Formats: sequence, C-alpha cells, structure tokens
Amino acid sequence: DQQVKQNSPSLSVQEGRISILNCDYTNSMFDYFLWYKKYPAEGPTFLISISSIKDKNEDGRFTVFLNKSAKHLSLHIVPSQPGDSAVYFCAASAGRSGNTGKLIFGQGTTLQVKP
Amino acid sequence: NAGVMQNPRHLVRRRGQEARLRCSPMKGHSHVYWYRQLPEEGLKFMVYLQKENIIDESGMPKERFSAEFPKEGPSILRIQQVVRGDSAAYFCASSPQSLGETQYFGPGTRLLVL
Repeated sequence: DQQVKQNSPSLSVQEGRISILNCDYTNSMFDYFLWYKKYPAEGPTFLISISSIKDKNEDGRFTVFLNKSAKHLSLHIVPSQPGDSAVYFCAASAGRSGNTGKLIFGQGTTLQVKP
Repeated sequence: NAGVMQNPRHLVRRRGQEARLRCSPMKGHSHVYWYRQLPEEGLKFMVYLQKENIIDESGMPKERFSAEFPKEGPSILRIQQVVRGDSAAYFCASSPQSLGETQYFGPGTRLLVL
C-alpha cells in the first residue's frame, strides 16, 4: 500500500529553467510534508517542509505547494542549477496528529539539470 | 554543530553473521528513527526510539532485527543471522524533542551480505 507516490521516476530540465517535482498521497491523516534531496552514497538532506495548515512555503529557490483537496504537493525549483541534479524524495508524516512521526517516503524522482 | 553520525559507513557480513549498526543523533535531539532503503526503492520506516524506550517498531521485521537507544551512547540496530535480502542502506534520522518536527538524516550504513 503506497501511501506516498512520486509517479515520475525521472525529470530532465535545462539549467535556468523551472523544475517541478510532483507527489501524491492517500492518507488524509498526514499533516506534515517534507522534501529531501539525496546524492548517491549519502543520506537524504532536508530541503523544505510544509504543514497541512498552509498551502505554500518558500525558501530561496525552493517552493513547496500543497493542495489538500487533491492530496497533492509539488516542489518548484527556480532557477534550476546543475548542482540540483539528485534524487528527490517526498515524505509525509502524521506526527502532529498524535502518531509517532514516522516518515512515509515516495519512491523518488531523479532530477537531471543540463548545463 | 555535528550532524547525525552513523558507523560503520560500509559493512560486509557473510550469511549467518551478526550486523551492528550505530547511530549518534544530533546534539539536543532525543528522537531516533531507523529507515532502510533496498536497491531501487524509497526509504522504509523501521523503528522509532527515544532514550531507553522503543516507541514504534511497526516497520521492523518480526525476527532477527532489534534496536535500542540506551541512556548513554548511540542507538544500535542489530541484525542477527543476516541473509542476502538484508543487503541495503540503513539510515538513521534524529529530531528534536517534540513530535512532528523535521528529521535529519545521517550518511547511512551500507550493508552487504555475501
């Protein structure tokens, strides 16, 4: 039962353009969403998060949008840079609803930014 | 400000041996989570611990796997009688005191079972 899905295994964009990574979830108890970036042979690095009480959170080049009615979130990176090339994981938690806070991860999307 | 530390980074074991993976959380963090990433898959939750307590082990295999987070020292994930299917990257994450906070990950331990 895949509660968090990233349906695009890979994405390729040109440097300077916008990268949009998508994530869908099924569990309405999720109340906290995160995006992580991962390079090979390293641990996931936290990028940005959003609480379910918001619909947008911005941090520099990264913006996360949450559409609760559609159970969909997206990560926008603009402008994209070659150093952004990595695997991006969407994760969700129901921790603030009184559960244990464990993260449920999507399968990941490999982003390639071409110079 | 040291991040989450894990050791060893790489571990090779033969079938039937024991594997011990260690995790030291970030300073000031008292919540530790273990995740496993099998090849070509996303990360899967295994266990959540606080000092001296296992809070949620719903993701742990029923046999051969155990975890602890003692009052002093690192958290340990122990795998007894390893099999080839245990080969994976094991990641530890920590978070501050309250639930629902961001988890910060260590570099992982890559376990290879021959």
